[in-house]
Amino acid sequence: GQNIDQPTEMTATEGAIVQINCTYQTSGFNGLFWYQQHAGEAPTFLSYNVLDGLEEKGRFSSFLSRSKGYSYLLLKELQMKDSASYLCAVKDSNYQLIWGAGTKLIIKP
Amino acid sequence: DAMVIQNPRYQVTQFGKPVTLSCSQTLNHNVMYWYQQKSSQAPKLLFHYYDKDFNNEADTPDNFQSRRPNTSFCFLDIRSPGLGDAAMYLCATSRAGLAESYEQYFGPGTRLTVT
Repeated sequence: GQNIDQPTEMTATEGAIVQINCTYQTSGFNGLFWYQQHAGEAPTFLSYNVLDGLEEKGRFSSFLSRSKGYSYLLLKELQMKDSASYLCAVKDSNYQLIWGAGTKLIIKP
Repeated sequence: DAMVIQNPRYQVTQFGKPVTLSCSQTLNHNVMYWYQQKSSQAPKLLFHYYDKDFNNEADTPDNFQSRRPNTSFCFLDIRSPGLGDAAMYLCATSRAGLAESYEQYFGPGTRLTVT
């Protein structure tokens, strides 16, 4: 079966750095997406990785290792508004998105 | 601004009473998706349209139907809602083609309550 694993919940301090991990086992791989979802709202696109390495976008970076079936999302200079769920999703060989259940990130002052 | 719009944002229906949720988009995307998301769970794909081609997920109950009368609009019909159908329903769109990087754009969702 296809599977995406993320920690259920993480806590971090305002101004700090946090890394949210995602491991996946899918039938084929056509890219990995990270989405942010605030409580009661729709997911919004953060990043996309298809090649190994680090993609940086302002305070957010995303890393991929295809050989290890592993990605992480790195958030720097955390702000209170970063409190949200972060969902990892992989496009499989049929170009369908397989979603993780999300990691709820709690930011404390 | 180009966007995905869902109406209503909150819907309360009675057990067994049919309900229709709507989605419209100004992005002119060929692909439209309907997801069901329950609290702290991954979005679950119900079906998607590639233009007018309808694709039903194997485990989507028959109770859920969809219509796409044109590129801009898509509807989700729940024929006989049960208590287990209470959830957030998300509509999303994406560009067509097999480009891996085409992300999905989501509407704000409709929160369905079944009483």
